[in-house]
Amino acid sequence: RKEVEQDPGPFNVPEGATVAFNCTYSNSASQSFFWYRQDCRKEPKLLMSVYSSGNEDGRFTAQLNRASQYISLLIRDSKLSDSATYLCVVKNLYGGATNKLIFGTGTLLAVQP
Amino acid sequence: DVKVTQSSRYLVKRTGEKVFLECVQDMDHENMFWYRQDPGLGLRLIYFSYDVKMKEKGDIPEGYSVSREKKERFSLILESASTNQTSMYLCASSSRTGGGQPQHFGDGTRLSIL
Repeated sequence: RKEVEQDPGPFNVPEGATVAFNCTYSNSASQSFFWYRQDCRKEPKLLMSVYSSGNEDGRFTAQLNRASQYISLLIRDSKLSDSATYLCVVKNLYGGATNKLIFGTGTLLAVQP
Repeated sequence: DVKVTQSSRYLVKRTGEKVFLECVQDMDHENMFWYRQDPGLGLRLIYFSYDVKMKEKGDIPEGYSVSREKKERFSLILESASTNQTSMYLCASSSRTGGGQPQHFGDGTRLSIL
């Protein structure tokens, strides 16, 4: 079983739609959680951290459910520029001060005009 | 802004060659990482370093080595390149302070081994 699992998609949605991505992780001791965005043939870039209380950044809302080991990302009012792969990322403590990121394989979003 | 610079965007090498991929960061980060990314497999950690001259194996270290002689530079070495090492290689760095520090990535090096 993969440590971080995501639906690979693709999610094809019209502009203006609301879309939700889900992610599960297997290590209950995981410490920090992130969503990264990766455009085609580009490097991953941090979209937002995910906090237990849930957090929002403009059209993007992230939720964490530690009991279910489940993370979500909600995008409202989708724009064409939101088309990308969204990576669910979990940080596990690896001895000492270094934390190790575990990446999901990503969910591809294609927003259609 | 954090800047992570990888020496090459595209690289073509031959089987058996020794290949060096260089990565430099300008934010005085303690931690540096090398990943490879392949379709359907996501990002996989090859090696990481949490201090100068320190290195730790990631999930797929076989066929690779690394060097961290200076804090800002982390090199990935393919000792004898093979075709199954054709991939996108991504370098990242992060600060050690706090538990929630994200990693910042370079642009990536698309390496082809012929």
